[in-house]
Amino acid sequence: EPEVTQTPSHQVTQMGQEVILRCVPISNHLYFYWYRQILGQKVEFLVSFYNNEISEKSEIFDDQFSVERPDGSNFTLKIRSTKLEDSAMYFCASSELVLAGGLRLNEQFFGPGTRLTVL
Amino acid sequence: TQLLEQSPQFLSIQEGENLTVYCNSSSVFSSLQWYRQEPGEGPVLLVTVVTGGEVKKLKRLTFQFGDARKDSSLHITAAQTGDTGLYLCAGSASKIIFGSGTRLSIRP
Repeated sequence: EPEVTQTPSHQVTQMGQEVILRCVPISNHLYFYWYRQILGQKVEFLVSFYNNEISEKSEIFDDQFSVERPDGSNFTLKIRSTKLEDSAMYFCASSELVLAGGLRLNEQFFGPGTRLTVL
Repeated sequence: TQLLEQSPQFLSIQEGENLTVYCNSSSVFSSLQWYRQEPGEGPVLLVTVVTGGEVKKLKRLTFQFGDARKDSSLHITAAQTGDTGLYLCAGSASKIIFGSGTRLSIRP
């Protein structure tokens, strides 16, 4: 069964360093997302991406964050200058365009996550 | 600000018992998903409900979407130890909002 993959599984970095988290969404999916989950807290939406541009972003997704789809398969999240509070699990998700009664179902399939630790 | 409140936060019951967990909001959602998340892993999609009043069954799990599409419930019949985990609801409107989850523990 197709699945979303993410690399690396763990990333340790020093505060102020740039990190790039990588995701390979399910191949026929058109919508891509990044979420984060701080230890013990809820899953928080960061950004959604469709048709090579950001379609929605949260207040968390500030100028330090950027996303890119550099080729036909990868979807990346870059954090330019990491802060201690960026330590979290980062999940990538993807969904296809499925309509039900004129509404998009938006069933998202999540990757296993990257655990980012900022020291 | 859209919020999804899940209750209870924690639930520990004996194997074989029934349980219901709830997901409530003041916002209307175009669809609502239920996920299950194991520690250190990503959420796994269980079901999507779209229509107000819709009921979906997945073996011993029954999901219901409220008539006004603002709330949902998950009922588990004859819980098993394998049902232990974190259950998350997520609502779709302009973006996806996750609830904080119900941590379910089934005792043998």
